[in-house]
Amino acid sequence: KAGVTQTPRYLIKTRGQQVTLSCSPISGHRSVSWYQQTPGQGLQFLFEYFSETQRNKGNFPGRFSGRQFSNSRSEMNVSTLELGDSALYLCASSPVLGTHGYTFGSGTRLTVV
Amino acid sequence: GQQVMQIPQYQHVQEGEDFTTYCNSSTTLSNIQWYKQRPGGHPVFLIQLVKSGEVKKQKRLTFQFGEAKKNSSLHITATQTTDVGTYFCAGALNDYKLSFGAGTTVTVRA
Repeated sequence: KAGVTQTPRYLIKTRGQQVTLSCSPISGHRSVSWYQQTPGQGLQFLFEYFSETQRNKGNFPGRFSGRQFSNSRSEMNVSTLELGDSALYLCASSPVLGTHGYTFGSGTRLTVV
Repeated sequence: GQQVMQIPQYQHVQEGEDFTTYCNSSTTLSNIQWYKQRPGGHPVFLIQLVKSGEVKKQKRLTFQFGEAKKNSSLHITATQTTDVGTYFCAGALNDYKLSFGAGTTVTVRA
């Protein structure tokens, strides 16, 4: 069966712009989590969605937001991009809400210039 | 700050040797998970430990959860070049939030 699909794979944006990343979870998975991965900070939790509701949120500024649709697909938006937002953004899905082991997508590599 | 600490940060191993990476939390964990990320890849779920003192094996990999559910270890025997990558532990601080360790990056000398 298809894995977690993230689009686009690579993105280059300019400071001040906004960006939207997309994640399609494994079929039947209703939980979608987003992580930011950088060499200096490792894997940092952004938020988790389940049944179209944000269930958990990490310590990121309000510029980072997300949503989940009725088909469990999720989008993440970052507004007013900063250079420090350059990172690999990973989406992970799970059948249920909670910490039961996640399947990660290949990620979106965002570069802010 | 990071609530789950992982050591060592880097592990350089001779092919055929064993090594262990450790994960420690300041708080009791409801479970701990281990992931492997190959260079240029994404994290791949390896295993989840839930019970105090639990030990699980996957071929040459042995995972252990401490009695107090505050620490865990991953031991790899007879390291192979296919073991190259970064191994992350992720501690469940409650039922809904994971805290990832910084990872142990493993390189193998043939």
